[in-house]
Amino acid sequence: DTAVSQTPKYLVTQMGNDKSIKCEQNLGHDTMYWYKQDSKKFLKIMFSYNNKELIINETVPNRFSPKSPDKAHLNLHINSLELGDSAVYFCASSPVGNEQFFGPGTRLTVL
Amino acid sequence: AQSVTQLGSHVSVSEGALVLLRCNYSSSVPPYLFWYVQYPNQGLQLLLKYTSAATLVKGINGFEAEFKKSETSFHLTKPSAHMSDAAEYFCAVTSNTGNQFYFGTGTSLTVIP
Repeated sequence: DTAVSQTPKYLVTQMGNDKSIKCEQNLGHDTMYWYKQDSKKFLKIMFSYNNKELIINETVPNRFSPKSPDKAHLNLHINSLELGDSAVYFCASSPVGNEQFFGPGTRLTVL
Repeated sequence: AQSVTQLGSHVSVSEGALVLLRCNYSSSVPPYLFWYVQYPNQGLQLLLKYTSAATLVKGINGFEAEFKKSETSFHLTKPSAHMSDAAEYFCAVTSNTGNQFYFGTGTSLTVIP
């Protein structure tokens, strides 16, 4: 009965590859997010989706694209992976204006 | 836009000592304030949240935080540190509309036996 789940937990890949990270929440929340956490633990918001509409898109390269097939899912697709994309990626969800619930994270390593 | 400042990226305390982690937000009063904890190799977990019901907020694991409007602060405290408190702590605020989150840069807490 995991609230926010992500797959895979670890992802190791070569530069130039395309990869996806999946996120699912069973909390019935309206908004889902993707964050990138770098090696210094700094959290950077990448995207959020509210009722299948993108409402935040920070200065993220267009190689990153969120895909939301329904309210419970927000997947992250990354094209042409670069070394600098290595990080931990967290998915989160929240009801409007309330705390966020985080997934366990996906550690991406680009070689 | 809101902003959050966490003073001290690294804090070390002895086991049993007081824990004080500092958080200041930008001048306009945010609707909600939060503290999250991240244990090694895990996601973020909510410690406590302020929603204007009471200025002193109690959270899990013996932590509490006090909202001080005059100081634009929301510092996190715990009377007696335990080894299991060693983790990364993040302060966060929402925007006035409530649909955006702003996280601080985090404070790494080390507990010395």
